[in-house]
Amino acid sequence: EVQLLESGGGLVQPGGSLRLSCAASGFTFNTYAMSWVRQAPGKGLEWVSIISGSGDSTYYADSVRGRFTISRDNSKNTLNLQMNSLRVEDTAVYYCARGHRAYSGYAGYYFDYWGQGMLVTVSS
Amino acid sequence: EIVLTQSPGTLSLSPGERATLSCRASQSVSSSYLAWYQQKPGQAPRLLINRASRRATGIPDRFSGSGSGTDFILIISRLEPEDFAVYYCQQYGSSPLTFGQGTKVEIK
Repeated sequence: EVQLLESGGGLVQPGGSLRLSCAASGFTFNTYAMSWVRQAPGKGLEWVSIISGSGDSTYYADSVRGRFTISRDNSKNTLNLQMNSLRVEDTAVYYCARGHRAYSGYAGYYFDYWGQGMLVTVSS
Repeated sequence: EIVLTQSPGTLSLSPGERATLSCRASQSVSSSYLAWYQQKPGQAPRLLINRASRRATGIPDRFSGSGSGTDFILIISRLEPEDFAVYYCQQYGSSPLTFGQGTKVEIK
């Protein structure tokens, strides 16, 4: 059974940093791209970032590029999101999601399994 | 960036009725690379449909998707109590990946 379990959320002040992790199990982790998708309170879904199975390729939404860094540790089946220079508008539930590849290219993924989500609140 | 517009915003129906949800793209979605997700309050999204019409594993056949180009439809043939939720479309035909704003299916 595929399981994705996020950790590391919480309250942080504007300009601060936070690191999210996602522990994966039930599948061969290094053969799947992994992504972060967020959802602001009462709002819709927003794709944040994606990383290839090997970790060699990473892509970001314009809204977080230069502030967030996605990474993975395939030896530990773990996905990470380092979030720096946080803004109030980054407040959201952050989901890790497994990418199902439809075609070559970073946009060619839909998400077939999702974690339960982790709330990040940016507020003074 | 492809903008996905879902309509209606809210659909008020009774159990047993048919639900028709629309997802319109601002430009053509390559190869019908469009997915649909269901999200219930306090839960993560669940994949329903990929490639516009392919049901994901374990999804009941009362859910069906269709469409191509810029216009896509999700139909729930007969609403069950557990189907009342928010539904999102997502395109993965071009970068960046984008989602629609969602359609809420509520009990009338």
